[in-house]
Amino acid sequence: GENVEQHPSTLSVQEGDSAVIKCTYSDSASNYFPWYKQELGKRPQLIIDIRSNVGEKKDQRIAVTLNKTAKHFSLHITETQPEDSAVYFCAASEGSGTYKYIFGTGTRLKVLA
Amino acid sequence: EAGVTQFPSHSVIEKGQTVTLRCDPISGHDNLYWYRRVMGKEIKFLLHFVKESKQDESGMPNNRFLAERTGGTYSTLKVQPAELEDSGVYFCASSRTVYEQYFGPGTRLTVT
Repeated sequence: GENVEQHPSTLSVQEGDSAVIKCTYSDSASNYFPWYKQELGKRPQLIIDIRSNVGEKKDQRIAVTLNKTAKHFSLHITETQPEDSAVYFCAASEGSGTYKYIFGTGTRLKVLA
Repeated sequence: EAGVTQFPSHSVIEKGQTVTLRCDPISGHDNLYWYRRVMGKEIKFLLHFVKESKQDESGMPNNRFLAERTGGTYSTLKVQPAELEDSGVYFCASSRTVYEQYFGPGTRLTVT
């Protein structure tokens, strides 16, 4: 079945530096890739998403890139701030049926002040 | 608009007992999903409703889990009887289309 791998599992960066989280997926039919941010004790929050007909999408300090050929996508956070500290999950939607999400295992990002 | 709500936020039960989790989706969202995160692993799909109909229940672990969605509004997920391995955080999500699922805060279930 569909599988999503996410790396790294933990990431520490200095405030102001950039952070990159990478995911690979196995189902070539996947066509939608959301990213969620989960702060401690809170709900997963959709922060950005990308569809398979687009190679890159930006929203202020956050960007996502997609390489369909290689079946990988990445989250880029620039000018990191302490409030960016959280667990980030990537997901891929199964390309048929219910469009359920297949999630990666999460990346715990720590931004050091 | 109000977000997805889940009740209870925490539940501690003994092995063999029954627990019912509730999810209220965002108003107007026909799609409702249940997911579970066990022991810090990935968030895994359990099932998907479109209105009151089960669209996909391929992720349900076994017949101890029963999900319902009365009248296409709120949904319940019952675990009976609960086992130790059922412990985890149960998330509900809803969406208007097949994209952009909005998650609830989750119910942390502990089976002792």
